[in-house]
Amino acid sequence: GNSVTQMEGPVTLSEEAFLTINCTYTATGYPSLFWYVQYPGEGLQLLLKATKADDKGSNKGFEATYRKETTSFHLEKGSVQVSDSAVYFCALLNDYKLSFGAGTTVTVRA
Amino acid sequence: ETGVTQTPRHLVMGMTNKKSLKCEQHLGHNAMYWYKQSAKKPLELMFVYSLEERVENNSVPSRFSPECPNSSHLFLHLHTLQPEDSALYLCASSPSPGLAGGRTDTQYFGPGTRLTVL
Repeated sequence: GNSVTQMEGPVTLSEEAFLTINCTYTATGYPSLFWYVQYPGEGLQLLLKATKADDKGSNKGFEATYRKETTSFHLEKGSVQVSDSAVYFCALLNDYKLSFGAGTTVTVRA
Repeated sequence: ETGVTQTPRHLVMGMTNKKSLKCEQHLGHNAMYWYKQSAKKPLELMFVYSLEERVENNSVPSRFSPECPNSSHLFLHLHTLQPEDSALYLCASSPSPGLAGGRTDTQYFGPGTRLTVL
């Protein structure tokens, strides 16, 4: 079956620090991989995606590379801001089914 | 209005009430989804509709009844809910559902309805 495992939070950082959130997956076939972000009181927003091995998704300074050999899709940002405080979800899409990780809460302090 | 909208944003109901959640997508998509987000649990897929036909019912209790009158609108009718049904209910849409090995498409989410069952 399909599953996603992401690092447990919460993660607390200072502004301009480097952020990494680990995500690994198990899947059959050739899934697409996503990072969604959920700001307080809001729904899920697509942050970035990658549809095949070695693809790199990027948006708003965030990056993640689809690594088939390590079944990973780690999220990184070089310099976080207070506005990046949110819950981040790694997700896998196989057929039409999205499988989500448990979410990682990130808090950035000024 | 653009994207995926959901109403109401917040709902409080008693266990004997009947209410409905509404989702509307303005993206021209053909597939729509209901998800449940409970505290400390991963998001759970509830229902999938493709071209107004239900293609997935993920073992959801019958007290949740979906309706998709057209490709732009999706409802979730609620009756005799339990307190454990309190959660954030998220609607999503995608260009197509990617059934039968077809192309799989990114799902775009609405802001959710925060439901509290007393």
